[in-house]
Amino acid sequence: EVQLVESGGGLVQPGRSLRLSCAASGFTFGDYAMHWVRQRPGKGLEWVSRISWNSDSVHYADSVRGRFTISRDNAKNLLYLQMTSLRADDMALYYCVRDGGGMTPLYYFDLWGQGTLVNISS
Amino acid sequence: SYVLTQPPSVSVAPGQTARITCGGNNLGSENVYWYQRKPGQAPVLVVYDNTDRPSGIPERFSGSNSGNTATLTISRVEAGDEADYYCQVWDASGDLPVFGGGTKLTVL
Repeated sequence: EVQLVESGGGLVQPGRSLRLSCAASGFTFGDYAMHWVRQRPGKGLEWVSRISWNSDSVHYADSVRGRFTISRDNAKNLLYLQMTSLRADDMALYYCVRDGGGMTPLYYFDLWGQGTLVNISS
Repeated sequence: SYVLTQPPSVSVAPGQTARITCGGNNLGSENVYWYQRKPGQAPVLVVYDNTDRPSGIPERFSGSNSGNTATLTISRVEAGDEADYYCQVWDASGDLPVFGGGTKLTVL
């Protein structure tokens, strides 16, 4: 089955760090650019970050640049999001998402995980 | 950055046609994508490149895009179509994807 499964979310204090993981299966993970997209409580979808198929290129939303780091391990079919200096407004459901363009990112999303919830509270 | 505007809610009776709009400056010159998100489920791409449907998406779902407005049309609406729907484009000037605020479709 083609799927993405996120993990690593939880309750964390402001200023602390958290690492999200996403396990891909059912397709050739290394053939796709990948993204993280989040949804804050009561808000719409917000793109967070993108990584190219070979990790050569990464891109971040202004709201997380300098605090979040996206990475991947194609041998293990895993995508990561290292989040540091977490703030209250980072609280959200974080989705792992596949780029519909394959190796050439087209910035649309043809496969989504169920999401992992990040709660920020002291 | 580029702004996409959607109505917060649309209501339609079963069997009728639902039209969900997405507005943006000169949107017709962009490729628009539509996603369906049901509670507790992963979002699903239902229309890409303005009018195309991914495999497995019913023909009842169709898209159009012209001028400043893109429209997702759902024909013969079913109770199972009740969900939040989001439009999305790639904002070339900001080099990032942008989503509309979402529209909650209620089937009466």
